[in-house]
Amino acid sequence: KQEVTQIPAALSVPEGENLVLNCSFTDSAIYNLQWFRQDPGKGLTSLLLIQSSQREQTSGRLNASLDKSSGRSTLYIAASQPGDSATYLCAPVNHAGGTSYGKLTFGQGTILTVHP
Amino acid sequence: KAGVTQTPRYLIKTRGQQVTLSCSPISGHRSVSWYQQTPGQGLQFLFEYFSETQRNKGNFPGRFSGRQFSNSRSEMNVSTLELGDSALYLCASSLLSGVQETQYFGPGTRLLVL
Repeated sequence: KQEVTQIPAALSVPEGENLVLNCSFTDSAIYNLQWFRQDPGKGLTSLLLIQSSQREQTSGRLNASLDKSSGRSTLYIAASQPGDSATYLCAPVNHAGGTSYGKLTFGQGTILTVHP
Repeated sequence: KAGVTQTPRYLIKTRGQQVTLSCSPISGHRSVSWYQQTPGQGLQFLFEYFSETQRNKGNFPGRFSGRQFSNSRSEMNVSTLELGDSALYLCASSLLSGVQETQYFGPGTRLLVL
């Protein structure tokens, strides 16, 4: 059974800082891993999807890396802004003989606060 | 292109009642997945539908059920509501739910059981 841990649970930084969010997972037999953000009381917004064959994926100020063999992914946010304040969630998708359809396994998330 | 829509956005029910939630996927998407989010358990997978067939199911009791219509719209039903069913219910859609695909989430339905 896949278990996902995100560290730190919460992070508060001043505007402009570069920061790293960590995600670890126990079962490395994954197809891909997605990073999402969730604003309070809202749905999830997809940020990045990294295929299992990739090491990195970039979108604007965001860069996600994946080390499948060690069961780790990191999300790097450059030059943080108050608008980046949200909960960040990682979710790997596992191989399971075709029974992984639609099933993302989520960590508890990292609550990020960027203050002006 | 319109995003994933969910109705209603908010619901208040009492214990023992049943509830039906609706999800309309992005146009052209054929896979719809449902998740429950609570402060204690986080986000947990309920089930996934593709072409009106349930292909995957999470570890929830039989009180939780769903279906998908020919236009890919999906509903989930919870019967005999319990206090612990209070949660944010999210649905997500993707083209085929292939493992290479991004899943797109709706805004959720917040259910409060009194």
